[in-house]
Amino acid sequence: SAVISQKPSRDICQRGTSLTIQCQVDSQVTMMFWYRQQPGQSLTLIATANQGSEATYESGFVIDKFPISRPNLTFSTLTVSNMSPEDSSIYLCSVDLGQASDEQFFGPGTRLTVL
Amino acid sequence: QKEVEQDPGPLSVPEGAIVSLNCTYSNSAFQYFMWYRQYSRKGPELLMYTYSSGNKEDGRFTAQVDKSSKYISLFIRDSQPSDSATYLCAMSGGGRRALTFGSGTRLQVQP
Repeated sequence: SAVISQKPSRDICQRGTSLTIQCQVDSQVTMMFWYRQQPGQSLTLIATANQGSEATYESGFVIDKFPISRPNLTFSTLTVSNMSPEDSSIYLCSVDLGQASDEQFFGPGTRLTVL
Repeated sequence: QKEVEQDPGPLSVPEGAIVSLNCTYSNSAFQYFMWYRQYSRKGPELLMYTYSSGNKEDGRFTAQVDKSSKYISLFIRDSQPSDSATYLCAMSGGGRRALTFGSGTRLQVQP
């Protein structure tokens, strides 16, 4: 498995501002993903963070709203831009160790509240 | 129709009961099946992983996959209050490594 940390663990933000969430892994990993979990809901994939190239976004998510960086194989950031109350969610990063299986391991999440 | 369907519960059982959690799916390309446990205010924790059809056992937990019926199950034997959590099924395949999740089932084990 892998040890994954996220910063911040939680934040309360004002409408119209932006927040950058960091995800750090204790080993080099092939793939990193960002998910959103809205209150009482399951996880929805936002994007795949690609090392050295632009992230691959899922339908309904755009780079202008959720810019992602992945400067190396152990670190990624997700920015939630121009926030509105509808962005209040838990944001989770996960990693795929690149083995034959598709097992993914998740960070503890960042709980975001937008007022 | 969602790709993965899961009864949201809540499911309440007495301590020591056998718990059965289930998911159905529609995408026949799914080959990898996982169960995650998520405690309140925590990230999902990988509990069980199964490839293709068959059973896998790990302690009190058994995962079953029936690809012909597009149906997966997680059984918890001798359930404990510490098993109280939300259980999420997840799956992937068809060349896509990102996971598709069920909505999660909230389980409460009463002491």
